[in-house]
Parts: sequence; structure tokens; C-alpha cells
Amino acid sequence: DTAVSQTPKYLVTQMGNDKSIKCEQNLGHDTMYWYKQDSKKFLKIMFSYNNKELIINETVPNRFSPKSPDKAHLNLHINSLELGDSAVYFCASSRGRGSGELFFGEGSRLTVL
Amino acid sequence: ILNVEQSPQSLHVQEGDSTNFTCSFPSSNFYALHWYRWETAKSPEALFVMTLNGDEKKKGRISATLNTKEGYSYLYIKGSQPEDSATYLCAFNNAGNMLTFGGGTRLMVKP
Repeated sequence: DTAVSQTPKYLVTQMGNDKSIKCEQNLGHDTMYWYKQDSKKFLKIMFSYNNKELIINETVPNRFSPKSPDKAHLNLHINSLELGDSAVYFCASSRGRGSGELFFGEGSRLTVL
Repeated sequence: ILNVEQSPQSLHVQEGDSTNFTCSFPSSNFYALHWYRWETAKSPEALFVMTLNGDEKKKGRISATLNTKEGYSYLYIKGSQPEDSATYLCAFNNAGNMLTFGGGTRLMVKP
């Protein structure tokens, strides 16, 4: 039973489109995250969210927005996709923020043509 | 932007060798330091979370130490095995905010 699951695993789309990546965790964690693995394979934090507070990495374009229908889900919406958005996006969750270990999803590879 | 650096970037060792690598991070506003193991085609998995200066943690042949005053952590692997081949990531958390990851150390253990 997967603890943190992301869908889709692969997404190929055209520039200018709007797309979403879904993330669900069944660990009962109260904090979820989105990370982007950049071209140099670095993991860059995009958002940190719990039921009280959204923290946004200020370098993330406002075309990216997290949406959390409930504590177990944090979806990533991307508007007006650009070529540079092509990357692997990882969802993660933790108990609390900072001191609890992160549990990662398997990643979603987005390719923008 | 927090600066979290790991060295070396990559490392090749023979099976049975012991090895270690370094993570350096800002020494102010320390909250926690994480180590993760990331195998190819999988997602990162937590090894250790350390919060106190002087912490030492161990899991099997892997151990880690933490010096928050000078801003570094070491990860040690004793008697490396081919299955230890992976990228080892450290991540720094300042005052309870978001985790910032280093670039990782890619370890390859030759049989």
C-alpha cells in the first residue's frame, strides 16, 4: 500500500497548456510538499503546506499553484506551461514541518513540447 | 536562498572500503539536518534526522554525525557493499521552515 502516491507518473503536453499533478498520502501526516528536480538533478522546494499555512518558495512562478482539498491531498496546478517546466516533480509528506523525516512519492515526469 | 553543499559530488569505491562524505550548511537558525538515500529510478528515503549538536546516529553500517556550531555533518559507510550505491542527500531545515537539499554525493561501489 503506497504511502505517498502521485499521478500521473508521466505527462507529455504542449506549451501553453494547463495541467495538474495529483498527490495523496495515507500516512496521516499534516504537512505536504512539492519539490522540483531541476536539470542538475537538484531537489528544489516549491511549496510547503499544512492545514494552517502555505509557504511558497519565492522563486516559484505564480503559474504554479498548490491546491489542497483535504489534509491527505496536495495537488500541483501549472498554468501556461513553458518548455522550462519540463522536470520531475516530487510530492512528499511529513509529520510536522522540519524535524520529521520526509516520505516521497515516486515522482512525476513532466515533458513540455 | 540557503547554501547547502555536499562533497564530493561523486565517489567510486571498492566493495569492502569504508567511506565518508560531508554536508555543510549555515550555522545560524539551525533546526534539523536530514540525510536521505536515493537509488536510481526510486524516490529518496530517509536515513537520519538530527536535531542536536553532537548527535550521532547509526543504522547498520551507516552512521552520521552533526556539528551545528560549525555547520557540517558527516555520513560514514563502513565496509561498502554494491547495494550501497546510490545518491546520498543531506537537507537543512532552519527554524522549522522548508527543507533545502544539497546537491548530493553519488556513491558507486564496485564489486
